[in-house]
Amino acid sequence: SQKIEQNSEALNIQEGKTATLTCNYTNYSPAYLQWYRQDPGRGPVFLLLIRENEKEKRKERLKVTFDTTLKQSLFHITASQPADSATYLCALVESGGGADGLTFGKGTHLIIQP
Amino acid sequence: GAVVSQHPSRVICKSGTSVKIECRSLDFQATTMFWYRQFPKQSLMLMATSNEGSKATYEQGVEKDKFLINHASLTLSTLTVTSAHPEDSSFYICSASSGSHPSDEQFFGPGTRLTVL
Repeated sequence: SQKIEQNSEALNIQEGKTATLTCNYTNYSPAYLQWYRQDPGRGPVFLLLIRENEKEKRKERLKVTFDTTLKQSLFHITASQPADSATYLCALVESGGGADGLTFGKGTHLIIQP
Repeated sequence: GAVVSQHPSRVICKSGTSVKIECRSLDFQATTMFWYRQFPKQSLMLMATSNEGSKATYEQGVEKDKFLINHASLTLSTLTVTSAHPEDSSFYICSASSGSHPSDEQFFGPGTRLTVL
């Protein structure tokens, strides 16, 4: 069966350290993988997109890697701040063309402690 | 950046009534709009995809007669939950895209919390 798995436990990181979140998928062939931030009671906010032929993408303090062999994406926040505390969702779009809805993981709750 | 609004943000209704949720793209034309549902501590689940002027495409397991979707213009899509029941209580989120390619960014609305008593 198809699965997208993210760390179900909350991740506690000390302020200033790098937070690394994992997204593993099974039985998908994603054309694109995206990361979103979701705050309680709010809709997701887009952060980064990485294509199947890209290994790494960066945006300010954020970095995403995509390993299609391992079927895994890693999301890094460097120099983490308490304001980075939120739930982070990975989502993918399968190959096949056309505008498709996203398939989301359950998300990882990140807590940055001052 | 592109803004998507939803109305209402919260609604409480009695079992058996119908509820309409609006999703608007405020500063761009949305070729495609998506409706998602999120139960507590669960992932967002895609319910349906709608393109302006055509019938929505529903995901497997989503009843099209219960969740009526209308995408009448390039800036407005509505989701009507008909004859709502307590199990329909959830967080409903729409997203909008101005393109037709998978990489085109989707912009999400703030969500609507539906509680059916």
